[in-house]
Amino acid sequence: QKEVEQNSGPLSVPEGAIASLNCTYSDRGSQSFFWYRQYSGKSPELIMSIYSNGDKEDGRFTAQLNKASQYVSLLIRDSQPSDSATYLCAVNLISGGYQKVTFGTGTKLQVIP
Amino acid sequence: DGGITQSPKYLFRKEGQNVTLSCEQNLNHDAMYWYRQDPGQGLRLIYYSQIVNDFQKGDIAEGYSVSREKKESFPLTVTSAQKNPTAFYLCASSSGPYNSPLHFGNGTRLTVT
Repeated sequence: QKEVEQNSGPLSVPEGAIASLNCTYSDRGSQSFFWYRQYSGKSPELIMSIYSNGDKEDGRFTAQLNKASQYVSLLIRDSQPSDSATYLCAVNLISGGYQKVTFGTGTKLQVIP
Repeated sequence: DGGITQSPKYLFRKEGQNVTLSCEQNLNHDAMYWYRQDPGQGLRLIYYSQIVNDFQKGDIAEGYSVSREKKESFPLTVTSAQKNPTAFYLCASSSGPYNSPLHFGNGTRLTVT
């Protein structure tokens, strides 16, 4: 089982719709969770971080965390063509004083004008 | 401006040669990371370091080596033992060690022929 799993997509949504991106993780000791956006050929940029169960909203983005189900999701409201990118889920595990950050393979999102 | 500088942006080498990728940060971050990304793939952890003169192997350390002699520098050497070195290499740092998001450099694209 992979440590962090995401559906590779592509996920296609029409402009203005809600895009829902999902991620599961295997280690119950994972402590913090991040969503990064990566445009083709560029480095990842942080969109959201979430540390406790529930929802966290920032503008058009909402991150949701359910530690019991080992599940984290990202909702993008009013999707725009500029949101078309690959979205990477990252999970932070603290072990022996070291912070190890593991990424999923990413979900490619296509927003259709 | 504070940030992470990776150089060079593109690097070409002949098979059998060692090559060193540079990563420098002026964010005063304690933790630094190296990831590898192959086309259509997520980020895979090569090495990470929480403090000077200390580093840990990630998930794919074979064929790579690092040093952390200064807080701001974390160079990665791709040795001739690495079977498939052609990839996009990303360096990141965090204020760490706990629950801190990663900040990425712009990456180095290495091509070995």
